[in-house]
Amino acid sequence: NAGVMQNPRHLVRRRGQEARLRCSPMKGHSHVYWYRQLPEEGLKFMVYLQKENIIDESGMPKERFSAEFPKEGPSILRIQQVVRGDSAAYFCASSPEGLALDTQYFGPGTRLTVL
Amino acid sequence: DAKTTQPTSMDCAEGRAANLPCNHSTISGNEYVYWYRQIHSQGPQYIIHGLKNNETNEMASLIITEDRKSSTLILPHATLRDTAVYYCIVTAMDSSYKLIFGSGTRLLVRP
Repeated sequence: NAGVMQNPRHLVRRRGQEARLRCSPMKGHSHVYWYRQLPEEGLKFMVYLQKENIIDESGMPKERFSAEFPKEGPSILRIQQVVRGDSAAYFCASSPEGLALDTQYFGPGTRLTVL
Repeated sequence: DAKTTQPTSMDCAEGRAANLPCNHSTISGNEYVYWYRQIHSQGPQYIIHGLKNNETNEMASLIITEDRKSSTLILPHATLRDTAVYYCIVTAMDSSYKLIFGSGTRLLVRP
């Protein structure tokens, strides 16, 4: 049973470019969560999605960041016009039901470096 | 969400029990205590959670004080692979999906 998959594992972008991070949840999971971890800090919640719905995006920066989880295919976290401060590890997690106290299973992360 | 306080770092010898404390003095009655860990460069891994009773699973035990103001995660027989940052997280049921990770405790298991 494959775990949460994220790709790419490492992504390098120049300032002003776009970054697309992909997350495939565990089989049977329909709820996805994105977190960001800056160097030497704990993870920060960004957004919670169900298939085709954004449930909670309270942790997303107001500009340049967007997320989707289409009916088919992986969840995508998109960062437009990247800046150096976007350099971080981005983790995706999934859960089966989205119920209260559902355990979240995390992927290995995508490390974004902005030059 | 209630704030948690954990020691910055700890160490223990391989094969011995590792006891990781967490203070959550402002915890509310409907808030749970979760523990996750993050091994270097990997995604966080769920360990255990509880409300007020002590809990045990194949990975660890969670001891919550009667007043619920603190808890201790116990790894009964630490191995080198348990070296990681351990996060104590307090969250209410209706927002339990929004995990708030603090700085955690960096546990080093010595050979």
